Amino acid sequence: SAVISQKPSRDICQRGTSLTIQCQVDSQVTMMFWYRQQPGQSLTLIATANQGSEATYESGFVIDKFPISRPNLTFSTLTVSNMSPEDSSIYLCSVLLGQGTGGANVLTFGAGSRLTVL
Amino acid sequence: DAKTTQPNSMESNEEEPVHLPCNHSTISGTDYIHWYRQLPSQGPEYVIHGLTSNVNNRMASLAIAEDRKSSTLILHRATLRDAAVYYCILRRGTSYGKLTFGQGTILTVHP
Repeated sequence: SAVISQKPSRDICQRGTSLTIQCQVDSQVTMMFWYRQQPGQSLTLIATANQGSEATYESGFVIDKFPISRPNLTFSTLTVSNMSPEDSSIYLCSVLLGQGTGGANVLTFGAGSRLTVL
Repeated sequence: DAKTTQPNSMESNEEEPVHLPCNHSTISGTDYIHWYRQLPSQGPEYVIHGLTSNVNNRMASLAIAEDRKSSTLILHRATLRDAAVYYCILRRGTSYGKLTFGQGTILTVHP
């Protein structure tokens, strides 16, 4: 299994500002993902962070709002730009590892970064 | 993606078995059945997965119906630490990290 560290664990931000969330993994992984969990809701995939190429975004998420960097196989950042109160959420980093029976891959998640936008 | 249906909430007593059901009537032949759980203030953690046969691991058992249209996650002896939101997710074999989370089942364990 992998250990994922996210920073910050929580923050309170002002409307119109941007915040960068860091995700550090203790082993090299090919695939990293960023999810969002809005208050009282389930998780939604924002994008796949690809090392050496641009991130792949899911429908409803755009690079200008959520720029992602992936400089190496153990690190990624997600920036939430020009924040509004609607961006108040938990943002989670996850990585894909081969685990379980039959070799099927499963995700390991970080603890998340809880952002509150005032 | 095929959809799963779970009860909103369930309750159990400590030390008793818990059976968490999941319906997935539109499952395709290449969909794996995955279960994750999210403890309070934590990210989701993998519990178990299966394709066709029942599966056991140190955390739980997964019973899959013969037609694969439903499955049941079994916690053999619930503890207070098992109180969490349990998500039943269908993962297509080629979807890698894209998991479509539903609302899950909130499990409350009473001492």
